Amino acid sequence: GAVVSQHPSWVICKSGTSVKIECRSLDFQATTMFWYRQFPKQSLMLMATSNEGSKATYEQGVEKDKFLINHASLTLSTLTVTSAHPEDSSFYICSARFGLAGAGEQYFGPGTRLTVT
Amino acid sequence: AQTVTQSQPEMSVQEAETVTLSCTYDTSESDYYLFWYKQPPSRQMILVIRQEAYKQQNATENRFSVNFQKAAKSFSLKISDSQLGDAAMYFCAYRSNFTGNQFYFGTGTSLTVIP
Repeated sequence: GAVVSQHPSWVICKSGTSVKIECRSLDFQATTMFWYRQFPKQSLMLMATSNEGSKATYEQGVEKDKFLINHASLTLSTLTVTSAHPEDSSFYICSARFGLAGAGEQYFGPGTRLTVT
Repeated sequence: AQTVTQSQPEMSVQEAETVTLSCTYDTSESDYYLFWYKQPPSRQMILVIRQEAYKQQNATENRFSVNFQKAAKSFSLKISDSQLGDAAMYFCAYRSNFTGNQFYFGTGTSLTVIP
């Protein structure tokens, strides 16, 4: 099956710094990638949808200036958490869609655990 | 937005027995997909089974099967012959064919398998 990777798998950063998380589709071209956030023992909450070459669409309540998403190629999307604070500590998961809308399959990355100290 | 409800935060099953996880959803759309995902301690989301709304036949994948009741907007997962490796968090998810194709997840059911 298709593989989606995330890097890093775990990152610790200091409050006030920025951290970048990469999401790559390794063996297919992803027209759309999605970023989710998951708090401990909770469900996945969609943060934003990114299409290659265009601006990301953010869900209500997600600060676009804080969570910068770039989808520069069909195999790479990045999420940058700017001026991180301890409340940004969470598990971030991306998914990538292959193929046409609706029928297109989606594959999840293994997630990135962010800890802000 | 679509909502997905899993009313069982925790479930347990004896090894080799059968367990059913419940899921209901709310939508006004007629064309959509429903999924069950498994999330083990590694946190990697693993697709268990998928159901297309326009198909009346319930999906099955080896020991996993669903009971899809479209009119009732119900989508339960049955795990037969439960194994220790089935222990995980299970999420029910809805995906529209129209509105961006993002997933809407339920709150999850934590399944414990008792040896």
